Amino acid sequence: EAVLTQSPGTLSLSPGERATLSCRASQSVSDTYLAWYQQKPGQPPRLLIYDASSRVTGIPDRFSGSGSGTDFTLTISRLEPEDVAVYFCQQYGRLPPTFGQGTKVEIK
Amino acid sequence: QVQVVQSGAEVKKPGASVKVSCKTSGYTFTNSYIHWMRQAPGQGFEWMGVINPSGGATTYAQKFQGRVTMTRDMSTSTVYMELRSLRSEDTAVYHCARGFFDVYYFASWGQGTLVTVSS
Repeated sequence: EAVLTQSPGTLSLSPGERATLSCRASQSVSDTYLAWYQQKPGQPPRLLIYDASSRVTGIPDRFSGSGSGTDFTLTISRLEPEDVAVYFCQQYGRLPPTFGQGTKVEIK
Repeated sequence: QVQVVQSGAEVKKPGASVKVSCKTSGYTFTNSYIHWMRQAPGQGFEWMGVINPSGGATTYAQKFQGRVTMTRDMSTSTVYMELRSLRSEDTAVYHCARGFFDVYYFASWGQGTLVTVSS
């Protein structure tokens, strides 16, 4: 199965700063079959991005995704306090679908 | 709007079975696959399998083959996941999620059901 490795494990930034989260796959995930989710404490995950770069309706445009093959990035252009959460990637190009371990985003 | 509501927390003894329900509403039940994932304490998400509500066909992760069964009730738009021969390592929060039609990313998630396996 495709193993997804996310980095960094924790990202601590000030409001307004740019957050760059990485997700690397152990094998190609069939071009752009990658999604990003946001999970806040006590809540289920929320889908942010699918097909590597397509933003879900209603998700603020400060969230963007890029990449293909084995290397993917989620960017939060200007960090807001409500963005504090764990973000994880998921590939669906190969069975079984697999998830990264997550990146925790904190506000300084 | 789409809603996915799961049954409540369960405590089971090793060797027992658990059956978790996932009631959906706000969309056409047969249009989207329903997936099950779990997240053990301090771990990432693990995909367990999927059911196509239209016809009931299932695909299970190899790890759970022979121990899990997913079924659906068309009259109530509810999907069930039964896990048998429970062991302590099965202690986790179990989530159902609606896929995007037959694509394996997860558009709407249930709130999660904590299953604790303890003697």
